[in-house]
Amino acid sequence: QVQLAESGGGVVQPGRSLRLSCVASGFTFNNYGIHWVRQAPGKGLEWVAVIWYDGTNKIYADSVKGRFTISRDNSKNTVYLEMNSLRAEDTAVYYCARAGVAAAVQVGYFEYWGQGTLVTVSS
Amino acid sequence: EIVMTQSPATMSVSPGEGATVSCRASQSVSSSLAWYQQKPGQAPRLLIYGASTRATGIPARFSGSGSGTEFTLTISSLQSEDFAVYYCQQYDYWPPLTFGGGTKVEIK
Repeated sequence: QVQLAESGGGVVQPGRSLRLSCVASGFTFNNYGIHWVRQAPGKGLEWVAVIWYDGTNKIYADSVKGRFTISRDNSKNTVYLEMNSLRAEDTAVYYCARAGVAAAVQVGYFEYWGQGTLVTVSS
Repeated sequence: EIVMTQSPATMSVSPGEGATVSCRASQSVSSSLAWYQQKPGQAPRLLIYGASTRATGIPARFSGSGSGTEFTLTISSLQSEDFAVYYCQQYDYWPPLTFGGGTKVEIK
């Protein structure tokens, strides 16, 4: 079955960096785009970034553009989210989610989700 | 950016009753609309995509309808496991992909 597992969350001071990982299994990883979606405590869902199945295209939300970098290693079935210059407003549970359609990342719904990893930005 | 507005924010429903959640887009999203269910402490789960297609394993009591700017999620007879928060999401015009603010369906 399809599984996504995030790791790398924790408590970090404002201005510092953190790298999240998302390990996938149960499907042909290099056929699917992978998104990151976050949820601040008690709030709704916010899309963060997406990487194409072959890594050729990456798109970011304005709120993280220039600070966050998404990448993937298809040999390890893993997607990363490098987060720099972290702010208090980046505090959230970060989910990775698989795109719904193989090789069609433009069809932007999220078919499978990981359980999330909590990032807390606080001094 | 396409703004998604859900109503109501909260609804109280008795088990066995039906429930209808509405979602409005600030401009047409055609049928590029998905619905998700989220329970406390859990990740969201895809229920509906393409405005009306149930995802794998989703019970038939969940149905979606609408196109353009007005959409509806209907739960025909609420079971105990259906009390949760529901989100709509558009994927017609992005970035960014955008979600509604959520509708909490609670036990009456």
